[in-house]
Amino acid sequence: AQKVTQAQTEISVVEKEDVTLDCVYETRDTTYYLFWYKQPPSGELVFLIRRNSFDEQNEISGRYSWNFQKSTSSFNFTITASQVVDSAVYFCARPRGAGSYQLTFGKGTKLSVIP
Amino acid sequence: DVKVTQSSRYLVKRTGEKVFLECVQDMDHENMFWYRQDPGLGLRLIYFSYDVKMKEKGDIPEGYSVSREKKERFSLILESASTNQTSMYLCASSSQGAWGYGYTFGSGTRLTVV
Repeated sequence: AQKVTQAQTEISVVEKEDVTLDCVYETRDTTYYLFWYKQPPSGELVFLIRRNSFDEQNEISGRYSWNFQKSTSSFNFTITASQVVDSAVYFCARPRGAGSYQLTFGKGTKLSVIP
Repeated sequence: DVKVTQSSRYLVKRTGEKVFLECVQDMDHENMFWYRQDPGLGLRLIYFSYDVKMKEKGDIPEGYSVSREKKERFSLILESASTNQTSMYLCASSSQGAWGYGYTFGSGTRLTVV
């Protein structure tokens, strides 16, 4: 399986600070998708974004932005002006391989936003 | 608006009991998955299914089995529960069409084996 690495296990920030969560992925495929999910304390993983490898444009959605760089195999996630509600575990994921229906997940980064 | 439902939020079972974790999805997805989540280990795939009555082992199938008699339902079975199976269990489903949202997850079942 092609790996996804989230090197940051836990991050703590003070409310209103910006924070970036790192994701590095392995790939032997020419085309692929990348995903980010959020797992709040309630437990259910919630979809945040899907990125196609064709499209290297950065994406912004409100306070969230994603920086996709194929040259470094990274798909980093930035939260601007963090809020307490952003406290969660965040997972980066990609399909296990070309044609696979399985996702491979990173081990997650636990973000704590302190009021 | 519930799409993937796991039958129990919390379960406490005794060592040696046979345990059934149920998962139902209402999105007509072909694929269904069972993961366990443990601190520091992330999400680990136990079993998955791409069709009714079809199942495939994931990365950590030992001590588990599954059943998929209907498209919407995927059950995880712990044949003889052990304390090392204490964990959070997550069910997910996905379509075999476009990746869309990837997986849709249930809320999880936190199982404690005593």
